[in-house]
Amino acid sequence: DADVTQTPRNRITKTGKRIMLECSQTKGHDRMYWYRQDPGLGLRLIYYSFDVKDINKGEISDGYSVSRQAQAKFSLSLESAIPNQTALYFCATSNPGATANEQFFGPGTRLTVL
Amino acid sequence: GESVGLHLPTLSVQEGDNSIINCAYSNSASDYFIWYKQESGKGPQFIIDIRSNMDKRQGQRVTVLLNKTVKHLSLQIAATQPGDSAVYFCAENMGTGGTSYGKLTFGQGTILTVHP
Repeated sequence: DADVTQTPRNRITKTGKRIMLECSQTKGHDRMYWYRQDPGLGLRLIYYSFDVKDINKGEISDGYSVSRQAQAKFSLSLESAIPNQTALYFCATSNPGATANEQFFGPGTRLTVL
Repeated sequence: GESVGLHLPTLSVQEGDNSIINCAYSNSASDYFIWYKQESGKGPQFIIDIRSNMDKRQGQRVTVLLNKTVKHLSLQIAATQPGDSAVYFCAENMGTGGTSYGKLTFGQGTILTVHP
């Protein structure tokens, strides 16, 4: 079984809809991250969480919110989806400290907002 | 804002050749530089990192070189194989310790294609 799983893997929605992307991990890591990937722009950090009670904004948090329901679960919400949020979304986990350089990514969720 | 970027968006090599993927960075304060590989349809996968106080670090078939004078990072892959075909991203970690580690800034990526 995969260590980091994301659901759904693909989602098509309409402008204005609320969307939740879910991430679960079995690696026992405290740290979890949400990134989005757009063609030609690499990955950009949306939110990150160092433990259940610690959530921080990343580079592009506007229009997104997150919830860390448990150590193993970190969900990303789009309260009112807009077309420019069409992207590939990745969840990742890591150990703390310098080993946070090695992040373990899920398979991604492809989101299309019409 | 400061960013990490790449010189070449694509690189094609023959199987067995050595590959060199380059990256320019602009933030002199970054503590670590990291390389990730992303195969088609998958999430990125960590390859190797190097701390800013080092010039070179070797892994299995890979070597990362850091030139702080010109703010340049490179990933060398020895005896490139078709399975190395992927997009390669450099990233920097500007954290200075403790809870600041983990905030990575990624470059745009280089597509490596290995021909049999």
